[in-house]
Amino acid sequence: DVKVTQSSRYLVKRTGEKVFLECVQDMDHENMFWYRQDPGLGLRLIYFSYDVKMKEKGDIPEGYSVSREKKERFSLILESASTNQTSMYLCASRIQGNTEAFFGQGTRLTVV
Amino acid sequence: RKEVEQDPGPFNVPEGATVAFNCTYSNSASQSFFWYRQDCRKEPKLLMSVYSSGNEDGRFTAQLNRASQYISLLIRDSKLSDSATYLCVVNNQAGTALIFGKGTTLSVSS
Repeated sequence: DVKVTQSSRYLVKRTGEKVFLECVQDMDHENMFWYRQDPGLGLRLIYFSYDVKMKEKGDIPEGYSVSREKKERFSLILESASTNQTSMYLCASRIQGNTEAFFGQGTRLTVV
Repeated sequence: RKEVEQDPGPFNVPEGATVAFNCTYSNSASQSFFWYRQDCRKEPKLLMSVYSSGNEDGRFTAQLNRASQYISLLIRDSKLSDSATYLCVVNNQAGTALIFGKGTTLSVSS
């Protein structure tokens, strides 16, 4: 079974803090994604990566950056957390091509 | 036109009912289509891929109409355990990422 693991289920951070959300997959997948999910807005793509050290902006990259130094790990960074970044963050991975993605369990981030 | 559009529902049906969800997408070049299921406070999980010829998995049937850019999911003989949000998913214009609809909520009652 594919396993995508996010480092935290719940996180509470203060406004202005630098926040790291970590995601690890164990299936040697090339593609990795970060989405956020908000009520009424669905899943929105923040950033994705199709290979090590490669990254592409999704639909809502503002206020976020990413890092992919190793194939199995994709990190989402909030440089200076703000209250409007309170959300459920979901990491996903898939092999190259038109295939389905597998999700981690999600990190519910609250910025106070 | 939004990339992926779904009727948000909620759909409230009794056990045993047949229910259909529809989805439209804007990118005519999309090559891959999926239905995901998401339970409350859980991550989305793949329910089924959608193929051009249509496909069936037990009580679930998915159809794709490329000409109309339309995808459907039919659930027969609904069970209480089918209560969830169903997400329509399509590849983005570049074919590099999956774009999700906002989901359709189904509630099956006894």
